[in-house]
Amino acid sequence: EVKLEESGGGLVQPGGSMKLSCAASGFTFSDAWMDWVRQSPEKGLEWVAEIRSKANNHATYYAESVKGRFTISRDDSKSSVYLQMNSLRAEDTGIYYCTNAMDYWGQGTSVTVSS
Amino acid sequence: DVVMTQTPLSLPVSLGDQASISCRSSQSLVHSNGNTYLHWYLQKPGQSPKLLIYKVSNRFSGVPDRFSGSGSGTDFTLKISRVEAEDLGVYFCSQSTHVWTFGGGTKLEIK
Repeated sequence: EVKLEESGGGLVQPGGSMKLSCAASGFTFSDAWMDWVRQSPEKGLEWVAEIRSKANNHATYYAESVKGRFTISRDDSKSSVYLQMNSLRAEDTGIYYCTNAMDYWGQGTSVTVSS
Repeated sequence: DVVMTQTPLSLPVSLGDQASISCRSSQSLVHSNGNTYLHWYLQKPGQSPKLLIYKVSNRFSGVPDRFSGSGSGTDFTLKISRVEAEDLGVYFCSQSTHVWTFGGGTKLEIK
């Protein structure tokens, strides 16, 4: 059974930083392309970032709205993917989901950026 | 970015009816490799989205055959024959031919 479990969300002030983690199981993590997607009432579902497998040189891609502020990374030895979020803005508020190339999704972790 | 437009926003149905949801993209979803990366998801209340259909018409693992997808180019349709109570929720179309984008969702609810 595929499982994706996000953690690390919470309340942060504008301009602050936060790191999200996602622990995966039930599939060959090292071969998987992993994504972060967020959801808010204002913007709906929005793709955030992708990191590809070692075979694809762990290439990373970002939505324009987060480029230069967010960093996606992975640790294949821990079957985990991360999202480092810096210079957070109110519009980054939402539920952040970890997905394996959009096939399976975790339950999400809530991020609120507010003073 | 490619804009995905779903209609209707809300779809009241009676159990056992057929339901149809439309999704239109602002540009062609045919990839240079010949594939069309149009997918459908269902999000039930309090849950994350679940993949139903990938690449226009392929049912994902465990998805009942009452779900079917069709379409080409920029116009796509999801059909649910004989709607059951467990089918209620918000349906999203999504494309990954270009930078990944999602439709705004169609809420399937009981009439």
